[in-house]
Amino acid sequence: DAKTTQPNSMESNEEEPVHLPCNHSTISGTDYIHWYRQLPSQGPEYVIHGLTSNVNNRMASLAIAEDRKSSTLILHRATLRDAAVYYCILRLISNQFYFGTGTSLTVIP
Amino acid sequence: DGGITQSPKYLFRKEGQNVTLSCEQNLNHDAMYWYRQDPGQGLRLIYYSQIVNDFQKGDIAEGYSVSREKKESFPLTVTSAQKNPTAFYLCASSFTANTEAFFGQGTRLTVV
Repeated sequence: DAKTTQPNSMESNEEEPVHLPCNHSTISGTDYIHWYRQLPSQGPEYVIHGLTSNVNNRMASLAIAEDRKSSTLILHRATLRDAAVYYCILRLISNQFYFGTGTSLTVIP
Repeated sequence: DGGITQSPKYLFRKEGQNVTLSCEQNLNHDAMYWYRQDPGQGLRLIYYSQIVNDFQKGDIAEGYSVSREKKESFPLTVTSAQKNPTAFYLCASSFTANTEAFFGQGTRLTVV
């Protein structure tokens, strides 16, 4: 299985940047790195994804290490609405993807 | 609106009964997935389907069955063989690994 490792929980002050790390040392050359977030009792929501290069969208930025064995999701200014469980996932070229245990982000007002 | 719909949102069943959870998408996605989530845990893959009339087992397929007769629909049956069926079930769909996956809002199944 494609596996990822994330810290169980992190805290951030509101309006400050948040860096959520993810290790994926078993990644293969064709695996995409995806990030989703989930609020309680809801389905996960897509955040961002990438293959090799860093990516930016309106929600976040994704920084991918040169060897691709780790990545970091960056929320530029955390808001209370960003409090959620964030999952880093490897999506195989076969389109399979597996979730790890995720990082629970707490945003402090 | 395009999207993925799961129904019902809450489902109660007696032990020993089979129950079918519905998942429908109008996004024209080829791939569809079923996940199970237990309290405080991540999502675990039950079954996935890359194309109509084809599906593969995930990590925890025992006690579950699926069908994929139409592109839009991927129902999951929780059978009486599933030892601990009470959980939150999530359905997802996507095009390829290079595109985002869309998730339904989930069905919370309680077996009493």
